[in-house]
Amino acid sequence: RKEVEQDPGPFNVPEGATVAFNCTYSNSASQSFFWYRQDCRKEPKLLMSVYSSGNEDGRFTAQLNRASQYISLLIRDSKLSDSATYLCVVMSPFYQKVTFGIGTKLQVIP
Amino acid sequence: NAGVTQTPKFRILKIGQSMTLQCTQDMNHNYMYWYRQDPGMGLKLIYYSVGAGITDKGEVPNGYNVSRSTTEDFPLRLELAAPSQTSVYFCASSYSKSPRESPDTQYFGPGTRLTVL
Repeated sequence: RKEVEQDPGPFNVPEGATVAFNCTYSNSASQSFFWYRQDCRKEPKLLMSVYSSGNEDGRFTAQLNRASQYISLLIRDSKLSDSATYLCVVMSPFYQKVTFGIGTKLQVIP
Repeated sequence: NAGVTQTPKFRILKIGQSMTLQCTQDMNHNYMYWYRQDPGMGLKLIYYSVGAGITDKGEVPNGYNVSRSTTEDFPLRLELAAPSQTSVYFCASSYSKSPRESPDTQYFGPGTRLTVL
């Protein structure tokens, strides 16, 4: 089993749709979780951290399920500008290890 | 703040050549990292540093070397370049208040696109 697994997609969704991505991780001791966004041929940029209580930032909601060892990202009212690859990042305690998923590609269609 | 800067942006090397990828950050971050990203693949950690004078191997360190003589700079050295090292290289930095705490958000540089022919 890979340490961090993501469905690579692509997810093709119409504007205005709601789309959700999941990311599973294998190390139950993982401590910190993030979603990054990466545009084509650009560097990754932090989208949001994922807290145990879940967090929301505008149209984006991130949640953590420790029991099932996955994190999720929900995007509501998709915009064309949301088209990108979304990377899941899992960090172990005391920075023993940081692992990126391969990313999920989202294409929002007019 | 310029953030994380990387040079060069592009480079073509011949097999067996050597080069150094430069990375500088002006945010006074203690952690710095080097990743490579192959097409359609996730980022793989090559080396990281938790502070000046301290470096450690990541997931794919073979064929690379690093040094961290200052807080700001974290160069990546490729010795004897091979076609398998064709990739996009990203440098990143982050801050941790103490060794007991995981570092905060990673900030990435714009990347260096390297081709080895």
